[in-house]
Amino acid sequence: GQNIDQPTEMTATEGAIVQINCTYQTSGFNGLFWYQQHAGEAPTFLSYNVLDGLEEKGRFSSFLSRSKGYSYLLLKELQMKDSASYLCAVRDQSQKVTFGTGTKLQVIP
Amino acid sequence: DSGVTQTPKHLITATGQRVTLRCSPRSGDLSVYWYQQSLDQGLQFLIQYYNGEERAKGNILERFSAQQFPDLHSELNLSSLELGDSALYFCASSPPRPDTQYFGPGTRLTVL
Repeated sequence: GQNIDQPTEMTATEGAIVQINCTYQTSGFNGLFWYQQHAGEAPTFLSYNVLDGLEEKGRFSSFLSRSKGYSYLLLKELQMKDSASYLCAVRDQSQKVTFGTGTKLQVIP
Repeated sequence: DSGVTQTPKHLITATGQRVTLRCSPRSGDLSVYWYQQSLDQGLQFLIQYYNGEERAKGNILERFSAQQFPDLHSELNLSSLELGDSALYFCASSPPRPDTQYFGPGTRLTVL
């Protein structure tokens, strides 16, 4: 089975940087995803990591360490519209994708 | 717009009834995934199909079933509905190189 942990809530200031951590345990790691989800809307894809290291995409970066079962999503130059839930998801060798319960980020002025 | 379509957008029904949710993946995507998201809960993976065949199974109840048709659209059938089945049901599709999933807008099911 898979177990994913991420903080329930975080608050950060507009213009700042925030790091959302995700730890996981899985039998047969086959990729880690980060999604953004605004309330009542569908998740939207942010990043995918399958190898160790940092993937940068504009204001968003994602890091993976497979040996530590650890990932983080880094959001820079926070904007009010970044207030949303951020979901960490892990895929295993059987292609099953398990989502964490999400981190609700509130960006304040 | 992700390119994934789901119908209906909203569905209100009574306990004991049966409903069918429909999903059309993005053009060229062979994989379809179904998820359930209840209030205050994370996304629960239900089932995945790839090119018409079941590929992976998650926490899908025996009262639920799904299939993917030759034109690659998929249907999720929910029967003997209970109050606890009220949730958002998302469909997602992914390309042959599955490094992402594109989510549809979801179907909000309310069981009264």
